[in-house]
Amino acid sequence: KQEVTQIPAALSVPEGENLVLNCSFTDSAIYNLQWFRQDPGKGLTSLLLIQSSQREQTSGRLNASLDKSSGRSTLYIAASQPGDSATYLCAVGPNTGGFKTIFGAGTRLFVKA
Amino acid sequence: ETGVTQSPTHLIKTRGQQVTLRCSSQSGHNTVSWYQQALGQGPQFIFQYYREEENGRGNFPPRFSGLQFPNYSSELNVNALELDDSALYLCASSLVGVGNEQFFGPGTRLTVL
Repeated sequence: KQEVTQIPAALSVPEGENLVLNCSFTDSAIYNLQWFRQDPGKGLTSLLLIQSSQREQTSGRLNASLDKSSGRSTLYIAASQPGDSATYLCAVGPNTGGFKTIFGAGTRLFVKA
Repeated sequence: ETGVTQSPTHLIKTRGQQVTLRCSSQSGHNTVSWYQQALGQGPQFIFQYYREEENGRGNFPPRFSGLQFPNYSSELNVNALELDDSALYLCASSLVGVGNEQFFGPGTRLTVL
């Protein structure tokens, strides 16, 4: 049974700091891994999608890496801004048995001005 | 390109009642997934619909049911509502065979009293 864990659960950093959010999963047989951002009470915004054959994806100040063999992904945010404050979720798409995407509980990020 | 939309935004029901939530897929997408997100947790996969048939189901009882229509829009029906059904219900659409990147709607906040 796939389990996804995100560490830390919450993070508070000063503006301008570079930071890393971690996501680990127990079953390496994945189809893809997707990082999302969620503002309070809102839906999810897709940030980056990494296919199982890829090692990393980049979009602006965001970089996500994937190491399937160790069951880990990281989301790197460069030069953090107060507008980056949100909850960041990672989601793993399985390789078999339909698209039962499994989410982590998220990392709540607060960037102080 | 039209994004994923959901209706209603908020809903209040009493225990034992039935509810129907609606979702319109992003233009060009053929798959819809539904998720339940309790406060402070990651989304939990309910089920997915592809070509108007259920294509994978999470650990939810049969009183959670769904439909997908020929235009790829979808409904989530919940019968015999319980207090624990209070949550944010999220719909996501994707295109099978193109990375399966999921795009989420804004969600429906259901409160069961």
